[in-house]
Amino acid sequence: QSALTQPASVSGSPGQSITISCAGTSSDVGGYKYVSWYQQHPGKAPKLMIFDVTTRPSGVSNRFSGSQSGNTASLTISGLQAEDEGDYYCSSYTSSRTLLFGGGTKLSVL
Amino acid sequence: EVQLVESGGGLVQPGGSLRLSCAASGFIFTNYWMTWVRQAPGKGLEWVAAIRQDGNERYYVDSVRGRFTISRDNAKNSLYLQTNSLRAEDTAVYYCAGGTGSWAFDIWGQGTMVTVSS
Repeated sequence: QSALTQPASVSGSPGQSITISCAGTSSDVGGYKYVSWYQQHPGKAPKLMIFDVTTRPSGVSNRFSGSQSGNTASLTISGLQAEDEGDYYCSSYTSSRTLLFGGGTKLSVL
Repeated sequence: EVQLVESGGGLVQPGGSLRLSCAASGFIFTNYWMTWVRQAPGKGLEWVAAIRQDGNERYYVDSVRGRFTISRDNAKNSLYLQTNSLRAEDTAVYYCAGGTGSWAFDIWGQGTMVTVSS
């Protein structure tokens, strides 16, 4: 099964907002409300930022928000900060009872 | 402190085996689905396997099914991944992670490196 489709890179200036898309199919993103987003800094383990499409875990800044339309999920980061720089991955449960990750998006804060 | 600590990685020849372990502490292990996720050098995340809280449901990515086995020992608060018939493409950092549902994982270890090479 192919990875979910994410843009390879996005960038923004401090204070701006950016959106990262995650395109799947009706067998994964579009079929279940089990989309998550992870942030990963170089050499570190991933950190859960959003689960169940829109829910933020305790301790995650409200600058991070998730949404979904059809087979595409999105992560929006508002008020960009330098510490937001890193790699972002979406994931989705699939009809095959597996978990599928996106290819990852490198966020640069200019 | 909530913690997952992986061990067991290393250098192995193609066709060889390794048993990865993950020790959990600081949280109620039996409340958590557990999973293994790997990341090849310079590449993205790839989900490998998951196991339900009671160990009675296990799921695998197609590329490892039949070669890898995920298991857990709730009495020891430990998760395992037995990896057999290893291939070069299995070379990666292997992370263990836990979550309470929704196939989302909020507790992660630091990872253990597996290198398959002759």
